[in-house]
This record gives sequence, structure tokens and C-alpha cells, in this order.
Amino acid sequence: DQQVKQNSPSLSVQEGRISILNCDYTNSMFDYFLWYKKYPAEGPTFLISISSIKDKNEDGRFTVFLNKSAKHLSLHIVPSQPGDSAVYFCAASAMRGGSNYKLTFGKGTLLTVNP
Amino acid sequence: NAGVTQTPKFQVLKTGQSMTLQCAQDMNHNSMYWYRQDPGMGLRLIYYSASEGTTDKGEVPNGYNVSRLNKREFSLRLESAAPSQTSVYFCASKGWDIPATNEKLFFGSGTQLSVL
Repeated sequence: DQQVKQNSPSLSVQEGRISILNCDYTNSMFDYFLWYKKYPAEGPTFLISISSIKDKNEDGRFTVFLNKSAKHLSLHIVPSQPGDSAVYFCAASAMRGGSNYKLTFGKGTLLTVNP
Repeated sequence: NAGVTQTPKFQVLKTGQSMTLQCAQDMNHNSMYWYRQDPGMGLRLIYYSASEGTTDKGEVPNGYNVSRLNKREFSLRLESAAPSQTSVYFCASKGWDIPATNEKLFFGSGTQLSVL
């Protein structure tokens, strides 16, 4: 059973426009959420995160929104740039696990930003 | 600062062969992880080690063994490789001293493994 779902395998947007990537989760124990970005032939790199005590976290062009009641989060990129073209993974954790902390990832969304 | 280093970057095996994927981190992190990435499947946890001397199974541990050699190194072994183990393997690490609001894993660049 997939606990973190990214239902859009791909997304294409024009440079300068907003990119919105969506993620849903089923495990109510998850209380910390992260987005990772991955370029081909590289490892995933951390982008932005949000704790369940917040509903929004912003870092430059990137904003993550969390709707706990809907078990849904989204990543907004404004404005989108060609260099943002990559696979984006949503991940979640139950921090109450303490030292057994681990991340559960979605399948990823390939974002293509067209010049 | 090298971060998380994985070797080899590429490997081709025949069914039944064995090999060990190496991972080392220089960030003094306590926890280390092995994930595999398959098309359409995202990243799935194979094994992890919360601290030196401990290892635990993840989501897809069958066919793998791990060794936490010391605080820096965490290896993944395939005793008898199968075509289903063709994948990209990522090692990651995390430190306990990262503030609770900033828990994130740092990943290596991956090992592309093909089993024929």
C-alpha cells in the first residue's frame, strides 16, 4: 500500500509561470514532510520541508503548503525556470520514531520547464 | 567536503554473482540508509542503520544484507544477484544533531546496477 502518492508522473510548464506539484499521504502518523529534487545521474537533494504544526513554508521561489485534514501537500515554484527541470520527490516521516527516523517517498513527478 | 560517497558508480553482474556496494560519509552522521530507485516506483528503503552497530530492515530487504562497518561506512551486499535487483542504488545519511525541524537525508550520487 503506497503511503505517499504523487499521482502526476509528469508536468510541463512555461518559463516564468507557476509550477504546482501535488502529493497525498495516507498515514496519519506522518508529521514531517519534505520535497527532494533529482537531476539525472545525481542523487536527490533536499529542497524544502514542512512540519505538521505549520500549513505553509516558504524559501525563495519555493513554497510548500500542507492541508492536514485532506492529507495533501503541494509545492509551488514561482517563477519557474528551465533549471528547475528535474524529478521532484515528495517524502514523509513520523518523527516520533526518534532514532529510527526514516523517509517514505512518493514515485516522483518529472517537471519540465520550457523556455 | 565530499558528503556521501558511493562506489562503484556503475556495475554489470551476471545472475548469481555477488557484490558489495560501498558507502562512506564524512559528515559525522549517526544514521545511514540504502534506497533503490526503479522507474515508476520512486525511492524504496532497503535497510537502514540508526547508529553504529545497529541495522534494520526497510520496505524491500529481501536479497540484500548490510554491514555498518563503523560510523562512516555502510555497505550493501547482494549475495546472489537477480535481474529483479537491476536498479539505481542510493546511500544516504543523517545526523541526530540536526534540529528537529530540519530532519533531512543527504544522498550520494548513486550506483547504477544491471543484472543480466
